[in-house]
Amino acid sequence: GAVVSQHPSRVICKSGTSVKIECRSLDFQATTMFWYRQFPKQSLMLMATSNEGSKATYEQGVEKDKFLINHASLTLSTLTVTSAHPEDSSFYICSAFTPGLGGETQYFGPGTRLLVL
Amino acid sequence: EDQVTQSPEALRLQEGESSSLNCSYTVSGLRGLFWYRQDPGKGPEFLFTLYSAGEEKEKERLKATLTKKESFLHITAPKPEDSATYLCAVQGNYGQNFVFGPGTRLSVLP
Repeated sequence: GAVVSQHPSRVICKSGTSVKIECRSLDFQATTMFWYRQFPKQSLMLMATSNEGSKATYEQGVEKDKFLINHASLTLSTLTVTSAHPEDSSFYICSAFTPGLGGETQYFGPGTRLLVL
Repeated sequence: EDQVTQSPEALRLQEGESSSLNCSYTVSGLRGLFWYRQDPGKGPEFLFTLYSAGEEKEKERLKATLTKKESFLHITAPKPEDSATYLCAVQGNYGQNFVFGPGTRLSVLP
């Protein structure tokens, strides 16, 4: 149980284009989903917290107009990187969380590797 | 402000050589402390949740313990497949966000 998927697993795009990443909780309903960014050999950096049906809460320094988050249902959240630039290249990971599920922990997706040329 | 530090930053062990990883934290009311394992290029994999000082949990060669200021992840007789980065995170009572530590990169040599 508690499986989270992400799609795509890897994407290469040209500078200036937009990329959408999907995060799905496959076997449970997630009231909250988190989006993280991770640089090589560094820990997870929280970008935003997304609660179903409401606007995402962004961490300081994260541009909400650049990283659009939609949490339209209890099993799906999407992150859209708009007008991507090479500095947006990174490993993006989502996680899903529901209070009371398996000890109130987050369950992570496998991550999406984004390369912007 | 909630904070998590982990030590050592990197650890090399011979197969069968037991050791411990440390996670030190400061949090305004601990709701939970979490251990994850992350392999390169993959998302973190959940290992344990600890809620209160004195609590211990075990899974195969791993054992996690918790005090009021730190947690230890003990690895007994590790194998090469235990090589990974181990992440510690805390969740405080005031908010739903998890604060992650920088991780410990463990390498177990055959």
